[in-house]
Amino acid sequence: KNQVEQSPQSLIILEGKNCTLQCNYTVSPFSNLRWYKQDTGRGPVSLTIMTFSENTKSNGRYTATLDADTKQSSLHITASQLSDSASYICVVSVYNTDKLIFGTGTRLQVFP
Amino acid sequence: NAGVTQTPKFRVLKTGQSMTLLCAQDMNHEYMYWYRQDPGMGLRLIHYSVGEGTTAKGEVPDGYNVSRLKKQNFLLGLESAAPSQTSVYFCASSSRGLRGGNTEAFFGQGTRLTVV
Repeated sequence: KNQVEQSPQSLIILEGKNCTLQCNYTVSPFSNLRWYKQDTGRGPVSLTIMTFSENTKSNGRYTATLDADTKQSSLHITASQLSDSASYICVVSVYNTDKLIFGTGTRLQVFP
Repeated sequence: NAGVTQTPKFRVLKTGQSMTLLCAQDMNHEYMYWYRQDPGMGLRLIHYSVGEGTTAKGEVPDGYNVSRLKKQNFLLGLESAAPSQTSVYFCASSSRGLRGGNTEAFFGQGTRLTVV
């Protein structure tokens, strides 16, 4: 069964600290992996998209990594800001389809 | 540039009532999608469209109908609302199919629907 699991479910950090969010997937065959940021009461906003051949991609203070062999991805946030408080969703695409498998997200709270 | 706009933002329905959710995009995208988001679950695809005049079923289509009469609009209808349809509904659009390596999906701000 195609699944995307994220950990931790929730995370609290202090402003200025770094953090890493994890995503494990069992989707096969794999096409690409996306990370989205979803602010409370808003729709998801794309952070990064990585294909099978890419193992790292950055977007400002956000850096995503992908290990297609172990089917794991991580999202690293550097020097966190209060505005980083949101849910972060890992999404995997099934090869040769338009089907996206969404994780349940990690809820990050950044406190001053 | 408004992107993807959903109407309404909030709605409360009684069981058995009908309603239509409107999604409008101004990016000239071919593909449009309706998802629902429930607590503890990832977004699930209800219906989608690959172009004007086309619709297709997603993962959880029962109880919903859709129409894409104009390229920029994608309507989601509930003919007879049930409490199980209480959810947050998101519309999204993309220029091409999401199987593509770098095709982004753009989401609306969501519609929170409560069926009592």
